[in-house]
Amino acid sequence: NAGVTQTPKFQVLKTGQSMTLQCAQDMNHEYMSWYRQDPGMGLRLIHYSVGAGITDQGEVPNGYNVSRSTTEDFPLRLLSAAPSQTSVYFCASSYGGWDGNYEQYFGPGTRLTVT
Amino acid sequence: SQQGEEDPQALSIQEGENATMNCSYKTSINNLQWYRQNSGRGLVHLILIRSNEREKHSGRLRVTLDTSKKSSSLLITASRAADTASYFCATDASSGGGADGLTFGKGTHLIIQP
Repeated sequence: NAGVTQTPKFQVLKTGQSMTLQCAQDMNHEYMSWYRQDPGMGLRLIHYSVGAGITDQGEVPNGYNVSRSTTEDFPLRLLSAAPSQTSVYFCASSYGGWDGNYEQYFGPGTRLTVT
Repeated sequence: SQQGEEDPQALSIQEGENATMNCSYKTSINNLQWYRQNSGRGLVHLILIRSNEREKHSGRLRVTLDTSKKSSSLLITASRAADTASYFCATDASSGGGADGLTFGKGTHLIIQP
């Protein structure tokens, strides 16, 4: 299994541009999340999904959109990039379920710079 | 807002020594998890402890949880150079038991000196 994959690894955008960060998992996990990691801030939850067709906002959703059309994919869209969105973005998935096994599997991250 | 806060922010010890990191959180939780992040990489799950557990072991890792004090500790015994990384605690406060997304602390940066 490839686990959780993210593309691209690095991206530079100009202010106002839009783009989509890709995330895919091959573990048949129902739950997927997007986090951003900033220096000294830890990880903050942007959006999450509990299954195909179901998404919800996390702690810092402004400026980002998500959709979940399949179990495998959970893309994150930046609508109009701003310098404040310069960060490292991590996608994660987890099994969830009644056995309480909520370990999250993280992708390698996308380092985004907005100039 | 950050739910968990790790302490210390940075820790430097000699190889072979034990490393202890602490995590405090604010609200009631269903479970608490610890993750490791090597420089430039994604996070890797280390251990999960549920709110009704007080202690858990996994290899050289020992985690304790004190729900009355809203705190947890991670002990790494017989440290190795490869343990150099940032360590994060993460909590869930949702009725879903954390599957919807976790709240992470800012991390402890651990350096193991050879």
